[in-house]
Amino acid sequence: DGGITQSPKYLFRKEGQNVTLSCEQNLNHDAMYWYRQDPGQGLRLIYYSQIVNDFQKGDIAEGYSVSREKKESFPLTVTSAQKNPTAFYLCASSIDSPRGANVLTFGAGSRLTVL
Amino acid sequence: SQQGEEDPQALSIQEGENATMNCSYKTSINNLQWYRQNSGRGLVHLILIRSNEREKHSGRLRVTLDTSKKSSSLLITASRAADTASYFCATAPGNTGKLIFGQGTTLQVKP
Repeated sequence: DGGITQSPKYLFRKEGQNVTLSCEQNLNHDAMYWYRQDPGQGLRLIYYSQIVNDFQKGDIAEGYSVSREKKESFPLTVTSAQKNPTAFYLCASSIDSPRGANVLTFGAGSRLTVL
Repeated sequence: SQQGEEDPQALSIQEGENATMNCSYKTSINNLQWYRQNSGRGLVHLILIRSNEREKHSGRLRVTLDTSKKSSSLLITASRAADTASYFCATAPGNTGKLIFGQGTTLQVKP
């Protein structure tokens, strides 16, 4: 089955630690995205990548880093510089359409809790 | 920045009733999309309406788009308890590839 796999589903982190969330897709999609969702809130864009070896900051990139070395993979690192990292993180992918009709396919999410 | 704003934030109805959610946005768009999210899960794409379309149907879903008012509505007819979820509108400002989501409407359908 084609889809997006996020891991781990649940992650606990001590303050001051960096953690990396994995996102893998086998849909052959060009574009990948990371969103953050806080309780009762909408999604906020952290980073997105439209092509391998290139990515752009979203609205809340501070304290996060990404890489896009392979088309299938777009890992997100939550660094110790992120002041309030406890949240639900969603990875998504899409066929990159020049006219912006990008329908996103989402993973099941990773819930990060800072202890 | 939030491109889309949904209204109401929460909606509670009885099974069989219709549910209407509204979305307003700020900048010009090529299309507007609606997504659904069950609690604690990822989002699922429901429907896309292009800027040159005024209405679109998919099963029990009806979406309208008014570009002059920069608004859209999602109507779910004959709701079921399984429709209980959060619903989000999303737009891509200008010709950027990034999709911006609204705050969502939480729908509860009581059996």
